[in-house]
Amino acid sequence: DVKVTQSSRYLVKRTGEKVFLECVQDMDHENMFWYRQDPGLGLRLIYFSYDVKMKEKGDIPEGYSVSREKKERFSLILESASTNQTSMYLCASSFGLAGGQETQYFGPGTRLLVL
Amino acid sequence: DQQVKQNSPSLSVQEGRISILNCDYTNSMFDYFLWYKKYPAEGPTFLISISSIKDKNEDGRFTVFLNKSAKHLSLHIVPSQPGDSAVYFCAVTNTDKLIFGTGTRLQVFP
Repeated sequence: DVKVTQSSRYLVKRTGEKVFLECVQDMDHENMFWYRQDPGLGLRLIYFSYDVKMKEKGDIPEGYSVSREKKERFSLILESASTNQTSMYLCASSFGLAGGQETQYFGPGTRLLVL
Repeated sequence: DQQVKQNSPSLSVQEGRISILNCDYTNSMFDYFLWYKKYPAEGPTFLISISSIKDKNEDGRFTVFLNKSAKHLSLHIVPSQPGDSAVYFCAVTNTDKLIFGTGTRLQVFP
């Protein structure tokens, strides 16, 4: 079974803090993704990576950056947290070599509250 | 502009009856379609998918129907069970990226 783990289930941070969210997958997947989920807005893609040290902007990258130094690990960084970044953050991975038509597998999510 | 729409934010169904969740998309280039189920405070779990070369895919109580001409996707759950109560997201793609709908909250009552 695919396992995607996220470093924290719940986080509380203050405005202006730098926040790191970590994600690890154990299936040797090429692709990794970060989403945020907000009520009524579904899942929105922040960034994704299709290889080590490679990254691509998703639909809402502003205020975020990412790092992928190892294939199994994909980090989301909030450089200076703001209250509008309070959300549920979801990491996902997929095989990445099938040319599309792939299932993404999600971690349990990190619920971030920025005060 | 939303490329994927789930027009019903919520649905309430009696246990044992059929649940039908709907999803509409705008781009005929999408060729792979998925349904995910999400419980509160958990990540989405993959439920079922269908390729554009098919119009139906079945897995136990879950069946996905694809109507390409109408750009419409539906998920049927028969019979519905209380454990099916969750938020259901449809997703579409023709690349490595998924585009998600806004979700439908299904409640199955006894």
